Amino acid sequence: QKEVEQDPGPLSVPEGAIVSLNCTYSNSAFQYFMWYRQYSRKGPELLMYTYSSGNKEDGRFTAQVDKSSKYISLFIRDSQPSDSATYLCAYKVGTGNQFYFGTGTSLTVIP
Amino acid sequence: DAGVIQSPRHEVTEMGQEVTLRCKPISGHNSLFWYRQTMMRGLELLIYFNNNVPIDDSGMPEDRFSAKMPNASFSTLKIQPSEPRDSAVYFCASNGQGIGQPQHFGDGTRLSIL
Repeated sequence: QKEVEQDPGPLSVPEGAIVSLNCTYSNSAFQYFMWYRQYSRKGPELLMYTYSSGNKEDGRFTAQVDKSSKYISLFIRDSQPSDSATYLCAYKVGTGNQFYFGTGTSLTVIP
Repeated sequence: DAGVIQSPRHEVTEMGQEVTLRCKPISGHNSLFWYRQTMMRGLELLIYFNNNVPIDDSGMPEDRFSAKMPNASFSTLKIQPSEPRDSAVYFCASNGQGIGQPQHFGDGTRLSIL
């Protein structure tokens, strides 16, 4: 079983839609969760990170963690064409420096 | 602040040639990571350094791959001899000390081995 599983998509939505991106993870030890956005021919860029269960909001973006079901989500409200990118979930276990990445979900927001 | 800087951005070379990828981490960051990204396998960790010392190289695919970090501001990833299956985008990332420090990525080197 992979450390983190992510639906690769592709996902295509109209402008203004609410987007939901999801990952599941396997390790129950202390975790630190991240979402990265990757535009074509660029490196992954950190969007949001959180330690805890529940929701964390930043503008149009909300990260949600459900530790009981080992599920992490990223919601994008009022999606824009500029949100078109690949989104990668990631998490870190314990105090080490090993990060585990999902394979990414490709999102296209159609004007 | 300057981000993680990688060079070259693109490399096209023939099978059997030596390839050297370079990375300058963010100043003050003490951990450096080399990743390989492909459509099929996503982002794979090859090796990471902490305070210039290699900590985990279990992701290095073969002896053809080697990585060095001679000082806190520079690292190289070398492939010798290169093969077509090494074609991928190679990313370098760095992060600072302390729990919860996220990784910051460079823009990658797009490598094509003919």
